[in-house]
Amino acid sequence: AQSVTQLGSHVSVSEGALVLLRCNYSSSVPPYLFWYVQYPNQGLQLLLKYTTGATLVKGINGFEAEFKKSETSFHLTKPSAHMSDAAEYFCAVSASPPGAAGNKLTFGGGTRVLVKP
Amino acid sequence: SAVISQKPSRDICQRGTSLTIQCQVDSQVTMMFWYRQQPGQSLTLIATANQGSEATYESGFVIDKFPISRPNLTFSTLTVSNMSPEDSSIYLCSVDRGSSNYGYTFGSGTRLTVV
Repeated sequence: AQSVTQLGSHVSVSEGALVLLRCNYSSSVPPYLFWYVQYPNQGLQLLLKYTTGATLVKGINGFEAEFKKSETSFHLTKPSAHMSDAAEYFCAVSASPPGAAGNKLTFGGGTRVLVKP
Repeated sequence: SAVISQKPSRDICQRGTSLTIQCQVDSQVTMMFWYRQQPGQSLTLIATANQGSEATYESGFVIDKFPISRPNLTFSTLTVSNMSPEDSSIYLCSVDRGSSNYGYTFGSGTRLTVV
């Protein structure tokens, strides 16, 4: 079974500062990892995903994440926060690639980001 | 990415009644998923709906409470039955687009309040 832990349910950053959201996973098989963002009163939007290949993954809106197998981590970063980054962010894991039979996502608890002017 | 239309976007319902949520996808997909997001919480998978077979429910969710239909490859419904205030949540449908660049795509959700 897979599980995801997001450290910090709330993160406050100043505009222009580094955004760092932590995600650690537990998986008995090589994981497939995802970061989603949820803006108020909206559904989830995929920021980026790691399936295979390069461990540093670049996503939309200037975000990137690095898969570190030895640390079972997939932390999300953005060099410079913007006011529009205020949202809730979810890390998720699946045990098999998209499209595989029986596949499903397991989500972390989420981290709400507040951006201060 | 897949366009998912979810209806209604929100509703306020009386306890003891039922609400059916619709999810329409703009292209055929094999697997559709239904999630619940309780206030201030993360997403929890309710069930996986494959066309032509009964939905597969996760632990803690039962068909009598959350019946699901999947009549074709672009449409699914989730019914929340005999509602209580504890059912107040956001319900989201999601599809697995396979090995495309988009992976899993989510609808905008149905915000349900039970009074």
